[in-house]
Amino acid sequence: DGGITQSPKYLFRKEGQNVTLSCEQNLNHDAMYWYRQDPGQGLRLIYYSQIVNDFQKGDIAEGYSVSREKKESFPLTVTSAQKNPTAFYLCASSIGGGDYEQYFGPGTRLTVT
Amino acid sequence: AQKITQTQPGMFVQEKEAVTLDCTYDTSDQSYGLFWYKQPSSGEMIFLIYQGSYDEQNATEGRYSLNFQKARKSANLVISASQLGDSAMYFCAMRVPEGGGADGLTFGKGTHLIIQP
Repeated sequence: DGGITQSPKYLFRKEGQNVTLSCEQNLNHDAMYWYRQDPGQGLRLIYYSQIVNDFQKGDIAEGYSVSREKKESFPLTVTSAQKNPTAFYLCASSIGGGDYEQYFGPGTRLTVT
Repeated sequence: AQKITQTQPGMFVQEKEAVTLDCTYDTSDQSYGLFWYKQPSSGEMIFLIYQGSYDEQNATEGRYSLNFQKARKSANLVISASQLGDSAMYFCAMRVPEGGGADGLTFGKGTHLIIQP
């Protein structure tokens, strides 16, 4: 089955620790995205990548970092510099540039205490 | 900067009735795309329908249609013959091309739709 996987579904960390969220897709898509969702809110773009070894900051990139070493993988690191890291994180991919549908993964709910 | 406004935080609708979810957008660009996504309680985002700014006809996908009024900058989602399984959060989103690249979507805050039997 083709799709996007995010693991784990729930993640708990202590304040001050970096944590990496995984995102893998087997759809052969060029573009990948990371969004953050807070309760009662829409999604906000953190980072996106159009091709391997290239990525761009979204609207709320501060405190986050990404890498795109393989087409299939786009991990997101939530660093200790992120002031409010507790949120629901969604990864998405699309065929490429243009108004293509973005396919979303099931999300990772991160809780930092 | 682009902005999406969804003015209905929540809606209750009787099963089998049609429902309209409002969405207005703000952009100074002439070329843009509008999307609607459904988010059930499980959290995943499900694509419903897309409308391009240059499309002359309103988009339709099964029971979903998009009432696109460009001059008013509105892109309302219409669900015909609602079903209990339509209960979910619904998000309107917009993409404005950045030099033709794949930048992300700007989302509204969503409408929580509850279908009552």
